[in-house]
Amino acid sequence: SQQGEEDPQALSIQEGENATMNCSYKTSINNLQWYRQNSGRGLVHLILIRSNEREKHSGRLRVTLDTSKKSSSLLITASRAADTASYFCVGRAGGTSYGKLTFGQGTILTVHP
Amino acid sequence: NAGVTQTPKFQVLKTGQSMTLQCAQDMNHEYMSWYRQDPGMGLRLIHYSVGAGITDQGEVPNGYNVSRSTTEDFPLRLLSAAPSQTSVYFCASRNQRDTGELFFGEGSRLTVL
Repeated sequence: SQQGEEDPQALSIQEGENATMNCSYKTSINNLQWYRQNSGRGLVHLILIRSNEREKHSGRLRVTLDTSKKSSSLLITASRAADTASYFCVGRAGGTSYGKLTFGQGTILTVHP
Repeated sequence: NAGVTQTPKFQVLKTGQSMTLQCAQDMNHEYMSWYRQDPGMGLRLIHYSVGAGITDQGEVPNGYNVSRSTTEDFPLRLLSAAPSQTSVYFCASRNQRDTGELFFGEGSRLTVL
């Protein structure tokens, strides 16, 4: 299975600050994905980075991937109160693996107005 | 597009009762899966399916049955509910040939007394 483990478990910042969350995984991957979960809701896909990419941007999101260290980071710049949510990463193997995608516990981000 | 629809949103059962959580998607996705989310445990994969007639076990399959008779539907059955199955259940689907982005339902909160 492919797994993601997020760090830190909880992060509390003020509005306007940047938030950085880290992710580690155990097996070789084809891509790594980040998801957000607002309280009481389902997960929503944020961004995907492929194993041959080192950095990717989407709006206020910046994701990096270091396959040699089996780690990724998610940076949210100029955070807003609406960014308050749990964030999960998951790595997916390529080939014919249909993907027992397993998620970690996530990082709980709280952005104070 | 409705995306992934889960019913019911809330359910209370007594120990030993049976029930079925419904999941339907209208995106013609081959892959569908069920997760449970418990505090401090992240999301854990219960069962998944890569197409009609094909199912497989995830991390925590005991106490749950699934079947996949159509592409659209992937019901999760609890044959004899136990308090340990109190959780929030999420159904997710994706296009098997796509990048792997998972689309989640809004969740079903189950309490077993």
